[in-house]
Amino acid sequence: GAVVSQHPSWVICKSGTSVKIECRSLDFQATTMFWYRQFPKQSLMLMATSNEGSKATYEQGVEKDKFLINHASLTLSTLTVTSAHPEDSSFYICSARRLAGSYEQYFGPGTRLTVT
Amino acid sequence: AQSVAQPEDQVNVAEGNPLTVKCTYSVSGNPYLFWYVQYPNRGLQFLLKYITGDNLVKGSYGFEAEFNKSQTSFHLKKPSALVSDSALYFCAGEITGGGNKLTFGTGTQLKVEL
Repeated sequence: GAVVSQHPSWVICKSGTSVKIECRSLDFQATTMFWYRQFPKQSLMLMATSNEGSKATYEQGVEKDKFLINHASLTLSTLTVTSAHPEDSSFYICSARRLAGSYEQYFGPGTRLTVT
Repeated sequence: AQSVAQPEDQVNVAEGNPLTVKCTYSVSGNPYLFWYVQYPNRGLQFLLKYITGDNLVKGSYGFEAEFNKSQTSFHLKKPSALVSDSALYFCAGEITGGGNKLTFGTGTQLKVEL
């Protein structure tokens, strides 16, 4: 149990376009989902915390108008990278926390975004 | 400020030998501590956690970790390493009342050789 999926697994887009990444908890409900960014050979950087039915909470330095997060249901959160630039190229990982129970976060497989 | 540190960028060990991946934390309050493993181009897989109770925590794939409050450490251990254990390991901490946010260490690349 506790499977989190992400779609797409990789995407290439042109500068100036927008890209949407989906994060789904497949077999549990998640009140809270998290979005991370990981640069090559580096640790995960928390971008924002997403709670179902409310606005996301962004970490300092993360542009909320550029990285739009929507948590429409207890099993789905989306991250939209708007007006993408090459410096937005990265590995984006989401995680989900169970509605109730244990404390660990369950991570998706990640999405590799390349902006050309 | 709360932080989690992994002092070693890489750890090399021979298959069959015990392995240790180090983690120290600097937090106020009671920390919740986690270990995750990441294979290339994949998300993180949960290995184990310390919330409260016994200081020795057993997790997936034969891994265990010991919470040491006096040394503020949470080292990951395995008695006998496998080549398939080669991966990137992350220690993470969550502070009670911290909004469920995880702070990650910088990661340690484990290489197990024949």
